[in-house]
Amino acid sequence: DVKVTQSSRYLVKRTGEKVFLECVQDMDHENMFWYRQDPGLGLRLIYFSYDVKMKEKGDIPEGYSVSREKKERFSLILESASTNQTSMYLCASSLANSHYEQYFGPGTRLTVT
Amino acid sequence: AQSVAQPEDQVNVAEGNPLTVKCTYSVSGNPYLFWYVQYPNRGLQFLLKYITGDNLVKGSYGFEAEFNKSQTSFHLKKPSALVSDSALYFCAVRDDNAGNMLTFGGGTRLMVKP
Repeated sequence: DVKVTQSSRYLVKRTGEKVFLECVQDMDHENMFWYRQDPGLGLRLIYFSYDVKMKEKGDIPEGYSVSREKKERFSLILESASTNQTSMYLCASSLANSHYEQYFGPGTRLTVT
Repeated sequence: AQSVAQPEDQVNVAEGNPLTVKCTYSVSGNPYLFWYVQYPNRGLQFLLKYITGDNLVKGSYGFEAEFNKSQTSFHLKKPSALVSDSALYFCAVRDDNAGNMLTFGGGTRLMVKP
């Protein structure tokens, strides 16, 4: 069965802290994605990676960075957390070809106080 | 640029009645279209997709969607709604000229009442 896991379901951090969100997939997918989900805005793409050590900016990369050292793991980093980064963060993965669907993790609800 | 619109924030339907959740899109090339469902406190689950071929696509849990190129729409339908269908539904589009990035709509909350 397809599986994407995220390191935390709920996270509370203070303003200015460095935050790491981890995502692991067990499907040998080439592509991995990080989204944030906010009410009424749907999902917005932060970054995606199409191969190890490769990354591309999505629609809202400001304030975020990513790391992909191994094929199965994709990390999202908030260099200095701010209250406007309070959100639900979703990780997804897919096969390389663009007509394949993405598989999503359960999400991490991050609160920055 | 690719975009997708879900014009209804919420759809209410009685159990047993047919349901429709609307989606329209805009792309410069050919569209790849997807529907996802999100249950409370869960990630998104894939329902169905249109890549090419038959305009009527059948997916999981009895859902189907009709691709209409002239109206640039991809509405999600089900002949008979269940209370358990209550969830948040997202339409997504990928332009075949735009690589691997999906663009999602804002989501439509479906409420099915007994």
